[in-house]
Amino acid sequence: AQSVTQLDSHVSVSEGTPVLLRCNYSSSYSPSLFWYVQHPNKGLQLLLKYTSAATLVKGINGFEAEFKKSETSFHLTKPSAHMSDAAEYFCVVSDSNNDMRFGAGTRLTVKP
Amino acid sequence: NAGVMQNPRHLVRRRGQEARLRCSPVKGHSHVYWYRQLPEEGLKFMVYLQKENIIDESGMPKERFSAEFPKEGPSILRIQQVVRGDSAAYFCASSPTVGMDTQYFGPGTRLTVL
Repeated sequence: AQSVTQLDSHVSVSEGTPVLLRCNYSSSYSPSLFWYVQHPNKGLQLLLKYTSAATLVKGINGFEAEFKKSETSFHLTKPSAHMSDAAEYFCVVSDSNNDMRFGAGTRLTVKP
Repeated sequence: NAGVMQNPRHLVRRRGQEARLRCSPVKGHSHVYWYRQLPEEGLKFMVYLQKENIIDESGMPKERFSAEFPKEGPSILRIQQVVRGDSAAYFCASSPTVGMDTQYFGPGTRLTVL
């Protein structure tokens, strides 16, 4: 069985400061890991994915995430938050394409 | 190159009516997935289909819900005799192959049951 836990339901940062959205997973297999973003009234958009290649994954809009097997973590970071980053972020673990598990989501608020 | 398309984007139904949600995958993708996002909750897997076949429906409620992905045309998620608890956003995703491949998500259909 696999599962994913997003440790914060809500994160608030000031514009221009770093962003850290935390995600821990459990999986019996070598997992694939994804971060998706959902802006208000929009569908999900893939930010980045890890599939057993480089452990530091760079995504769109300046986001990146590091796969740490020893810590079973896949935290999402960005050096400098922008107002347009305000959205809901989902961490996803998958060990086969018909068995994806979504985290409950982290709502990111960016203050001016 | 169109992405995943879902229609309608918003659907309002009264209790007891039927809701039909459509999903057109990315051109060339033969794998379709349906997810439900309830208010204040994360996404939950419902069903995985390949052309004309249901591969995994472990997340589908046992009654009133059905899904199909015919040889021609979009995938359909059908909810019969809707209840207020069915109000949610329903997302469809598609991928070209099975395996550890990226799923591309549609914009979702927001179902409101009055």
